[in-house]
Amino acid sequence: DVKVTQSSRYLVKRTGEKVFLECVQDMDHENMFWYRQDPGLGLRLIYFSYDVKMKEKGDIPEGYSVSREKKERFSLILESASTNQTSMYLCAIQGGTNEKLFFGSGTQLSVL
Amino acid sequence: EDQVTQSPEALRLQEGESSSLNCSYTVSGLRGLFWYRQDPGKGPEFLFTLYSAGEEKEKERLKATLTKKESFLHITAPKPEDSATYLCAVRRDTGRRALTFGSGTRLQVQP
Repeated sequence: DVKVTQSSRYLVKRTGEKVFLECVQDMDHENMFWYRQDPGLGLRLIYFSYDVKMKEKGDIPEGYSVSREKKERFSLILESASTNQTSMYLCAIQGGTNEKLFFGSGTQLSVL
Repeated sequence: EDQVTQSPEALRLQEGESSSLNCSYTVSGLRGLFWYRQDPGKGPEFLFTLYSAGEEKEKERLKATLTKKESFLHITAPKPEDSATYLCAVRRDTGRRALTFGSGTRLQVQP
């Protein structure tokens, strides 16, 4: 089974803090994604990466950056956390014959 | 711009009461339409991929169908354990490999 591990299930941070969300995969998949999920808005794409040191902006990249120094690890960075970044953050990898996404369990981030 | 609209937002069924969830989509060229199930506090789990109009996929009490403009997820004789949020997503056939998701249908099946 594909395993996508997100480092924290719950995080509470203060406004202005720099926040790191980590995602690690146990397979050799190239494509990795960060989404955020908010009630009524569904999943929205923040950033994605098709290879090491490669990154592309998604639909809502403002206030975020990413890092992919190794193939198995894709990090989402909130440079200066704000209350409107309170959300569920989901990491996903893409693979298999269907090119479907495999998701981690998510990180529920609260910014106070 | 790709768009996915799911309806209804929420659905409450009695155990055994069959129904359908709708997913309407707009995409320049469809590579695949995906259905996921999401339980509270967890990441989405893959259910089906549909590639072309007329295609159908089944898994236990679930059956997904696809037309050129929409997809349906039919739930036959649901059980309480089918309670979850069901998400629909599309991937276009050129360019971006990411999926575009709808906002989901929250299904509750009462015993």
